[in-house]
Amino acid sequence: AQSVTQLDSHVSVSEGTPVLLRCNYSSSYSPSLFWYVQHPNKGLQLLLKYTSAATLVKGINGFEAEFKKSETSFHLTKPSAHMSDAAEYFCVVSDPILTGGGNKLTFGTGTQLKVEL
Amino acid sequence: DGGITQSPKYLFRKEGQNVTLSCEQNLNHDAMYWYRQDPGQGLRLIYYSQIVNDFQKGDIAEGYSVSREKKESFPLTVTSAQKNPTAFYLCASSIGVDYGYTFGSGTRLTVV
Repeated sequence: AQSVTQLDSHVSVSEGTPVLLRCNYSSSYSPSLFWYVQHPNKGLQLLLKYTSAATLVKGINGFEAEFKKSETSFHLTKPSAHMSDAAEYFCVVSDPILTGGGNKLTFGTGTQLKVEL
Repeated sequence: DGGITQSPKYLFRKEGQNVTLSCEQNLNHDAMYWYRQDPGQGLRLIYYSQIVNDFQKGDIAEGYSVSREKKESFPLTVTSAQKNPTAFYLCASSIGVDYGYTFGSGTRLTVV
């Protein structure tokens, strides 16, 4: 069965410094991987996705992630944090294993990013 | 603009009541999903539907029911059998595994 582990429940950075949010996955298939962001009391917004093309994936708002199969990791990075980046981030693995077809998304437990002045 | 609309944004339920959460999409997506979000637990799948008039149980379906009579609509009913219904509920739709999901803005349900 697929699973996702987000290694940090909370990360705090200063504005202008790099961001690193860590994610490891386990999957029986060749997975599709995603990062989503959620601001308080809002739905989830897709930041970026990996679907077996280039291993370095660029997303919105300056975020990027690198798929490393040997390490089963998909860490999210950004060179310079902005105050508006403060939110909760979810690493997600997608496997095409649902009954009746289709894909199932399995979510990590989330990493709360705090950005300080 | 295309998207998913969830209503209401906030919902209060008395003990023993059934309540229905609305989810409507105009993205022409075949697949729709309901997730429950609790603090520190990520999102957990309640029900999903790949096509009209068909739906499947997810990981935590007990105490919930759904219908899919139209492609655009996938309402979720939280029944009195759900013992701990207070949570944030998210509806999503998808066009395929490589595209991820599009999420609605959620409904926060509180039992009073």
